[in-house]
Amino acid sequence: GAGVSQSPSNKVTEKGKDVELRCDPISGHTALYWYRQRLGQGLEFLIYFQGNSAPDKSGLPSDRFSAERTGESVSTLTIQRTQQEDSAVYLCASSSPLGSPHLSSYNSPLHFGNGTRLTVT
Amino acid sequence: AQKITQTQPGMFVQEKEAVTLDCTYDTSDPSYGLFWYKQPSSGEMIFLIYQGSYDQQNATEGRYSLNFQKARKSANLVISASQLGDSAMYFCAMRERSNFNKFYFGSGTKLNVKP
Repeated sequence: GAGVSQSPSNKVTEKGKDVELRCDPISGHTALYWYRQRLGQGLEFLIYFQGNSAPDKSGLPSDRFSAERTGESVSTLTIQRTQQEDSAVYLCASSSPLGSPHLSSYNSPLHFGNGTRLTVT
Repeated sequence: AQKITQTQPGMFVQEKEAVTLDCTYDTSDPSYGLFWYKQPSSGEMIFLIYQGSYDQQNATEGRYSLNFQKARKSANLVISASQLGDSAMYFCAMRERSNFNKFYFGSGTKLNVKP
């Protein structure tokens, strides 16, 4: 089956412009995550969606960042008025349904897309 | 406190030898899962292996095995018979039952396999 799909794979934009990144999760995966990875660094959590629940936005670095997800499908991450420090790879990941946090719910790994490499000039 | 600690920023190993990548974790939840991911230079994150906190045996997947020492809160990844294609970043991650929407990642270890 298809994996997590992200587009575009590369995006170069001028400082101050808005960008929109897209993530198409694995079909049936209710959980969706966005991470940011700066060059040579680890993963920085941005936002988490689980089904129709309110998203966990605690990782968004500023109000220039926002994300949406319609139901259990595609998600878009929007960065407004981009800055050079926004340059990074943005990774999307999805995970299989959790339901209630029963014993086996936390053995579901994240499945990552190939990321969008954003360069702000 | 850091949830996941990887103390080796970089490691070298000779081709065909075994290598151990260290990972320690911090949690008070008795129910948790531990994951290892590989990130080659191409950037994709590849899931390698999983260990549950209640699993009695160490997890194995092909050349990958997990040395799980629960009392020491360590979950080291062992790669046997290293190959050149194993050169990559390796990330350890944890998920707790009580906070299952969060995945905690370590800072990663860069493994270089020498021919």
